Amino acid sequence: NAGVMQNPRHLVRRRGQEARLRCSPMKGHSHVYWYRQLPEEGLKFMVYLQKENIIDESGMPKERFSAEFPKEGPSILRIQQVVRGDSAAYFCASSRGTEETQYFGPGTRLLVL
Amino acid sequence: GNSVTQMEGPVTLSEEAFLTINCTYTATGYPSLFWYVQYPGEGLQLLLKATKADDKGSNKGFEATYRKETTSFHLEKGSVQVSDSAVYFCALSDPGQGAGSYQLTFGKGTKLSVIP
Repeated sequence: NAGVMQNPRHLVRRRGQEARLRCSPMKGHSHVYWYRQLPEEGLKFMVYLQKENIIDESGMPKERFSAEFPKEGPSILRIQQVVRGDSAAYFCASSRGTEETQYFGPGTRLLVL
Repeated sequence: GNSVTQMEGPVTLSEEAFLTINCTYTATGYPSLFWYVQYPGEGLQLLLKATKADDKGSNKGFEATYRKETTSFHLEKGSVQVSDSAVYFCALSDPGQGAGSYQLTFGKGTKLSVIP
């Protein structure tokens, strides 16, 4: 009974490179949420997706960030041309439905050099 | 907008001491309230939740009661253990934020250290 899976767990990128973060929801869950945790801060909502649809991206930076949740395969959070300020822990959560409890993955810790 | 305010840490307690972590919230609708726990290097785990006023969530000896009159959801445990050392996050979800979204709004977290 696997939980939410994220990979990689740690990612190091140099400024200007691209970062791709993957999230596989729990079995039976079709709703995915991405959150970012800056050092010494709580988690901030970024985007909410269902299969092949972005439902709410009100927390996503307008540039360089994108997310998808294809019909097959994991959800991807993509950060283009990373900058040092993108260094953070990125958490994915999934739920069975819109009113269901969200379950979190272990996170991807991104470090931009 | 919605917000969650929780007591700042760090909090250091001796084993078997009583724990209270305060949490208050503001929300536009009728939120559900949560406590999540994050152990070092790990993701968040749901500790307990309450979905309506006067509900009490409980798990692993932790409790929190949804108080609408004081807009609070304080976390309590009667006797903490060393293994309870972690960061605790209070959070809410509020359908009033917009159709189709149940994003969680988090407090900044309270770091608890329990010493033997």
